[in-house]
Amino acid sequence: NAGVTQTPKFQVLKTGQSMTLQCAQDMNHEYMSWYRQDPGMGLRLIHYSVGAGITDQGEVPNGYNVSRSTTEDFPLRLLSAAPSQTSVYFCASLQGGGGYTFGSGTRLTVV
Amino acid sequence: GENVEQHPSTLSVQEGDSAVIKCTYSDSASNYFPWYKQELGKGPQLIIDIRSNVGEKKDQRIAVTLNKTAKHFSLHITETQPEDSAVYFCAAVGGSYIPTFGRGTSLIVHP
Repeated sequence: NAGVTQTPKFQVLKTGQSMTLQCAQDMNHEYMSWYRQDPGMGLRLIHYSVGAGITDQGEVPNGYNVSRSTTEDFPLRLLSAAPSQTSVYFCASLQGGGGYTFGSGTRLTVV
Repeated sequence: GENVEQHPSTLSVQEGDSAVIKCTYSDSASNYFPWYKQELGKGPQLIIDIRSNVGEKKDQRIAVTLNKTAKHFSLHITETQPEDSAVYFCAAVGGSYIPTFGRGTSLIVHP
């Protein structure tokens, strides 16, 4: 089915470890974004991309890196995991002027 | 930047009642207002949207209204059912195409 695919669905990391959250979309959408969702905080934008080769910071970018080498893929890298990065992460894509299609999320716990 | 306020944070209704969720935005340049429904353990899903050249839009039991002068928009759900229980997010979108989200409303429909 067309949509946004996120992997893994669940992950436990130790403090200081690094990892990459994968996101892929097959709708040829220009825009892709990463959000984190914490209780009572809603959806906070981490990084976004307006096209291949173009990325920009959102509201809470510290501790995260992104790249957009292709239209389809937009991985999120945690450089050195901290307990404060325990959260649910959502990737989303959209075509300009429309609404987001969200992935099903990655639940990350940092111990 | 844009600021979106959403109220209430929690809404509890009896099955068959109506539910109304209200949002205000600050940037008069915003011109697209989507609403998302997030069920437990899933990613948000676009359920209805409205553009700034329209005052109201309906889709079966849900409707959205927009007052550009007052900079507020609302989601109306009639004849609520238990499966309407979820977290609902409003958003405002301007020229950057990146939405600013409200903090969400947890709707509980009691059978």
